[in-house]
Amino acid sequence: GAVVSQHPSRVICKSGTSVKIECRSLDFQATTMFWYRQFPKQSLMLMATSNEGSKATYEQGVEKDKFLINHASLTLSTLTVTSAHPEDSSFYICSASVGASYNSPLHFGNGTRLTVT
Amino acid sequence: GQQVMQIPQYQHVQEGEDFTTYCNSSTTLSNIQWYKQRPGGHPVFLIQLVKSGEVKKQKRLTFQFGEAKKNSSLHITATQTTDVGTYFCAANSGGSNYKLTFGKGTLLTVNP
Repeated sequence: GAVVSQHPSRVICKSGTSVKIECRSLDFQATTMFWYRQFPKQSLMLMATSNEGSKATYEQGVEKDKFLINHASLTLSTLTVTSAHPEDSSFYICSASVGASYNSPLHFGNGTRLTVT
Repeated sequence: GQQVMQIPQYQHVQEGEDFTTYCNSSTTLSNIQWYKQRPGGHPVFLIQLVKSGEVKKQKRLTFQFGEAKKNSSLHITATQTTDVGTYFCAANSGGSNYKLTFGKGTLLTVNP
């Protein structure tokens, strides 16, 4: 159980275009989902906390107008990278926890490798 | 925000040797979680430690939480090539904060 599906797994786009990444909890409801970014051989950096039915909470230094997050249902959160630039190329991973407690482990999607040319 | 320092950054061992990675925090942690990320993959939850001085084992893996709940370790006995990957600790400070802060991770490579 506790499967998180992320799509697409890889995307290549041209500079200036927008890319949407979907994150779905397949067998549980996720009031909260988290979006991380990971550069090669580095740790996971939390970008934002996606809250169902309300605005996302962004971490310091993350541009909310560039990384649009929508959490319209209890099983789907989307991250849209707007007007992508080469420096946005990275590995983006979503995660969710089954329980609504800080003790609940995170279940990660497979990640999306974004390459902006 | 919550920060955890993880060492070493890299560790290369011969198959059969032991391996340990350490996480330290300057503040008391509510809990600490450990994840493993295989090369090209996504992080997978391994275990969570909550109690002071807690020790948990999963086959060849031993996880410890310090008495002061400020440090933790993951020890692998007799490494195998399947242990290759990056091991992350992650922690939060509790309360209404569900956010996890990840350590920088330790990349383990095993020479067969």
